[in-house]
Parts: sequence; C-alpha cells; structure tokens
Amino acid sequence: EIVLTQSPATLSLSPGDRATLSCRASQSVSTYLAWFQQRPGQAPRLLIFDASNRAPGIPARFSGSGSGTDFTLTISSLEPEDSAVYFCQQRSNWPPFTFGPGTKVELK
Amino acid sequence: QVQLVESGGGVVQPGKSLRLSCAASGFTFSDYGMHWVRQTPGKGLEWLAVIRNEGRHKYYADSVKGRFTISRDDSHNALFLQMDTLRPEDTAVYFCAKDAGMKGILDYWGQGTLVTVSS
Repeated sequence: EIVLTQSPATLSLSPGDRATLSCRASQSVSTYLAWFQQRPGQAPRLLIFDASNRAPGIPARFSGSGSGTDFTLTISSLEPEDSAVYFCQQRSNWPPFTFGPGTKVELK
Repeated sequence: QVQLVESGGGVVQPGKSLRLSCAASGFTFSDYGMHWVRQTPGKGLEWLAVIRNEGRHKYYADSVKGRFTISRDDSHNALFLQMDTLRPEDTAVYFCAKDAGMKGILDYWGQGTLVTVSS
C-alpha cells in the first residue's frame, strides 16, 4: 500500500498570500496524484488530477506540480473561501486508492 | 449538474448490518465506475470499494473485504454498500463518489451519510 504524507499539518496565512502544500508518496506514483479541497461540513472537491491538471471550474490560482514521490499544490493568492483542508490521493497502485492526512489552511 | 445523494446511515449495534444507498443524477450513471469512501477524525479519508461501470468487477480495501459489498442498479441510477458484521471502528461519514472513467479520479462526491456503530 502506498502511504501519502502531507506537510505542513496546518498553514496559517493571510488573504493574498501564496500557499505551498506538500504531498510525499512512499514510492513512486508517477503523476497519478490528485488534490482535493474540503471545506467544513462539505464533501471533498476535486481540484487537480494527474499532478497538474485543473478540474473543470477550478480557479487558475490553484496549480499542481511534481512527479514520482514529491508533489506540490500551490494557491497563488489566497482568497477567504480557500480556508479548508486539502488532501492528496494516489491512483497509481490500487487497490487501495490512498489519501494523505491533509493540510489545514487557515486564513488570518 | 452531477448530484450524488447518500442515505441509509444511522446508529447500529456492533455485529449488525446496514445498507447505504447513493442516488445519482445529472450524468449517464451506467457509463461510470463508482466508489465508496469513508472519513473519520482519526483516520481521515479511507477508500473502501469501487465497482466498474459494467458492475461485474469490484475491488475492496482489506479493512472491509468480506464484510462490505458494493453493488449498483443502473436502471435506478443507484449505488449501494451493504455493510455486515459492523464494528465500532466502522463509525464514520460515508461518501459515494463518481469516477471520471474507472481510472481512480474521483471527480464528484456526495455530501455523505453518518454511520455510528455503538451498543
């Protein structure tokens, strides 16, 4: 089973700041990595698939990069509605599909 | 637009069974694989099962293999999760999710239904 770790656990930033979130896989997942946003009380929402492809309707301030074992989700300029938990998920080697533990982005 | 609505959650005693449903709309249900995923504060998001669009091929997480059964009814645009021999550690919010094409890209999720296993 591929284990995903995310850092930092919590990110506290101000509106307009740049957010950089990291996801690391225990073995290579090529580019088969997705990022999700989950606001409180809501379902996860797909942001990025296959490392760098934005899902339909996702604002351009969200971007993904990386391959192999190291991946980054960047939010170029934080908006108040970006306050949420962000998860990564791999689809390289399954079953099972696995998720990271999440990074909480808090806006000051 | 794509909508997924889970139902069937509730409080159940350990060892008992529960059947979750997921009503799908806004897309051609029979064309897509579907997943169940659960979430707990302690373990985060845990993928449980996927069923291919044809309904014959099903895959499970080890933690639920032999206890949970995923199924679908394409005539009613519905996905199911039969959960047997429930344990307290199965307490979670259960989500159904659509696959973009049986590729493990979970592009739409329902709002979830809470299952509590407790005596």
